[in-house]
Amino acid sequence: DVKVTQSSRYLVKRTGEKVFLECVQDMDHENMFWYRQDPGLGLRLIYFSYDVKMKEKGDIPEGYSVSREKKERFSLILESASTNQTSMYLCASSLSLFDMNTEAFFGQGTRLTVV
Amino acid sequence: GQQLNQSPQSMFIQEGEDVSMNCTSSSIFNTWLWYKQDPGEGPVLLIALYKAGELTSNGRLTAQFGITRKDSFLNISASIPSDVGIYFCAGQLGNTDKLIFGTGTRLQVFP
Repeated sequence: DVKVTQSSRYLVKRTGEKVFLECVQDMDHENMFWYRQDPGLGLRLIYFSYDVKMKEKGDIPEGYSVSREKKERFSLILESASTNQTSMYLCASSLSLFDMNTEAFFGQGTRLTVV
Repeated sequence: GQQLNQSPQSMFIQEGEDVSMNCTSSSIFNTWLWYKQDPGEGPVLLIALYKAGELTSNGRLTAQFGITRKDSFLNISASIPSDVGIYFCAGQLGNTDKLIFGTGTRLQVFP
């Protein structure tokens, strides 16, 4: 069974803390994505990785960085958390979307609150 | 950044009614995906579209990939209470594997 696992369902962090959100997939997918979800704004792409050590900025990369040292793991890092980064964070993975019959699979989400 | 305009933003309908929602963009997409998200969960794929003009059904759901490759719609027929949730369109942009999502349509179904 396909599985994307995010390390925490809920996190509360203080302003200025360095925060790590971890995502692991067991499907040997090339692509991994980090999105944040806010009411009325849908899912906005933060960063995307298409291979180990390879990354591309999404629409809202400011204040975030990512790390992909191994194919199965994609980490989102908030260097200095701020209250406007309070949100639901969703990780996804996929094979190449140029292959027919592929799709992106999502983790269950991490709800981060920065106080 | 690239945007997918999804409408309507929310819908309140009675059980048994049909539902239609759509996504449009100024950019060309190679793949369109429609997802549903239940409360507290990640989105789950409903329908995938890979060719311009393609019309695909999955039970009571039907989706089409627009001829211009800049739009897609999703129809749900004879809605039931478990259809409640947030529906997202998503598109694979140009010649990359980058997957962009719409703003979502929140569906409420009343008995």
